[in-house]
Amino acid sequence: GAVVSQHPSWVICKSGTSVKIECRSLDFQATTMFWYRQFPKQSLMLMATSNEGSKATYEQGVEKDKFLINHASLTLSTLTVTSAHPEDSSFYICSARGTLAGEKTGTQYFGPGTRLTVL
Amino acid sequence: ILNVEQSPQSLHVQEGDSTNFTCSFPSSNFYALHWYRWETAKSPEALFVMTLNGDEKKKGRISATLNTKEGYSYLYIKGSQPEDSATYLCAPTGANSKLTFGKGITLSVRP
Repeated sequence: GAVVSQHPSWVICKSGTSVKIECRSLDFQATTMFWYRQFPKQSLMLMATSNEGSKATYEQGVEKDKFLINHASLTLSTLTVTSAHPEDSSFYICSARGTLAGEKTGTQYFGPGTRLTVL
Repeated sequence: ILNVEQSPQSLHVQEGDSTNFTCSFPSSNFYALHWYRWETAKSPEALFVMTLNGDEKKKGRISATLNTKEGYSYLYIKGSQPEDSATYLCAPTGANSKLTFGKGITLSVRP
């Protein structure tokens, strides 16, 4: 149980294009999903928190117009990097926290991540 | 919660060795401490979550302890195996339940 998929696993795009990353909870309903970013040799940094059916809450310093988050259902959240630039090249990873039976610990279940390279 | 420190940054051990890692965090505004294991090209896997001072958790050869008063947690691996090779992440949370990750400890176990 508690499997989260993420697609694509890697993407290369040209500067100025937009890239969409999908995060799905496969066997549970995710009331909350999180998006993180990791630069080389750095820790995972929370970008935003999204609750199903409501607007995402962004962390300080993360541009909401650049990183569009949609959490339209209890099993799917998407992150769109708009007008991507080389400095947006990073590892993006999502996690989900949900309504698993007996789940009270607040544990987040992670996808495998997406490596974005912007040329 | 800021300033989560993990040490050492990396560790190379021989199969059969036991090892331990440290996670240090500010003790104020503490709610829970999560440990994850992250193997290359896979999803981070939840190992433990602990909330109370003195908590100890065990999963097979891996165990963890928590000291909330002084702000640290230890992760122990007894008799390391090559399949234990991974990056081990700790992440305390405050009341807002947001995970604040350390940089992780990369363990490499030689056969």
